[in-house]
Amino acid sequence: DAKTTQPTSMDCAEGRAANLPCNHSTISGNEYVYWYRQIHSQGPQYIIHGLKNNETNEMASLIITEDRKSSTLILPHATLRDTAVYYCIVEFGNQFYFGTGTSLTVIP
Amino acid sequence: GAVVSQHPSRVICKSGTSVKIECRSLDFQATTMFWYRQFPKQSLMLMATSNEGSKATYEQGVEKDKFLINHASLTLSTLTVTSAHPEDSSFYICSARSYDRYEQYFGPGTRLTVT
Repeated sequence: DAKTTQPTSMDCAEGRAANLPCNHSTISGNEYVYWYRQIHSQGPQYIIHGLKNNETNEMASLIITEDRKSSTLILPHATLRDTAVYYCIVEFGNQFYFGTGTSLTVIP
Repeated sequence: GAVVSQHPSRVICKSGTSVKIECRSLDFQATTMFWYRQFPKQSLMLMATSNEGSKATYEQGVEKDKFLINHASLTLSTLTVTSAHPEDSSFYICSARSYDRYEQYFGPGTRLTVT
């Protein structure tokens, strides 16, 4: 079973920052948080992952709270091509168990 | 880097036949590969995990005799759906991970339709 909860859907204006929250209150000390996104009828695309420190790459930033019970994915300047379902995943054993994700719609 | 391919992208087969789906890691060695299934408007469901050279580990409720998984090399895993039925129609997605990376890289998926 997925160890994360996310809002079902969110809207974001084009050009603005999209902040996608995720709760993972049962996360263990050595479990990473991963973010992927899936555009319709494609395989999920890796975005970013982290353990306890905030992380940034060319796609996004990941902010993990100090207690590690929640995190936020930030897309700094959302474009229409960022419209997708975003999944926050906490690995269990060696496996990923996907939750329902957040459907992000970027509005022109 | 980290590209995973799947073949075929779409397949239609008749009920009772078997179909094989290939998953390849193109630019890295995949010590572990995973197979997922996704029904319309639903999330991905993990079916099985396979390590190169070992038998696959299936998730609860997934029939190992129906969904045969082979991970014969560090770049190739195959999923064979045996005696397919219309309810097996789904989007099948593989992913791969190398020994030195945490993240999984996903293939583009295979749309299976059983008529």
